Amino acid sequence: EVVLTQSPDFQSVTPKEKVTITCRASQSIGADLHWYQQKPHQSPKLLIKYASQSFSGVPSRFRGSGSGTDFTLTINSLEAEDAATYFCHQSNSLPLTFGGGTKVEIK
Amino acid sequence: QVQLQQWGAGLLKPSETLSLSCAVYGGSFSDYYWTWIRQPPGKGLEWIGEINHNGGTNYKSSLKSRVTISVDTSKNQFSLKVNSVTAADTAVYYCARRTRHGSGWYIDYWSQGTRVTVSS
Repeated sequence: EVVLTQSPDFQSVTPKEKVTITCRASQSIGADLHWYQQKPHQSPKLLIKYASQSFSGVPSRFRGSGSGTDFTLTINSLEAEDAATYFCHQSNSLPLTFGGGTKVEIK
Repeated sequence: QVQLQQWGAGLLKPSETLSLSCAVYGGSFSDYYWTWIRQPPGKGLEWIGEINHNGGTNYKSSLKSRVTISVDTSKNQFSLKVNSVTAADTAVYYCARRTRHGSGWYIDYWSQGTRVTVSS
């Protein structure tokens, strides 16, 4: 089973700052890594698929990068509406697995 | 716009059967994997299993003996049953869609989730 380790667990950020979240896989998964945003009482929303491909309708400030075992989600110029929990997910092999999540708070 | 709406009992006693259903609105029902995922309180997300429109299934090995996922293509619905539940099955349960991308699949849409509590 591929274990995904996210860091940090929590980040408090002022608007317009840049946020960087990392996800490390326990083995190489190519580019089969996806990023989601989840706000309280809402369904998770896909932001980035296959490490760096933006999903339809996602603001351009959300960027993904990486391959193999190390991946990064960057939120450029954070906006108040970006307060949420972000998590990574790998689809390289079954069982599908997920990172523990990073909660982003707006200062 | 794809929407997944789920329903089912939210409070169960130990040894009962958890039963949830998920209806898909918007888009085709074929050529996707229909997936169940859960999140216990204070813990991370856990993949339970999935089914395609032909009835082909994949299950997490540790849950396989207790889980059944089925599909009703005439209603664009799929369902989850977990037998002999315990407190460890207490979680928010999500249904989701996996879409093909080349030779792989990724989750693009999720439901809002249903909280299921197992308590005597």
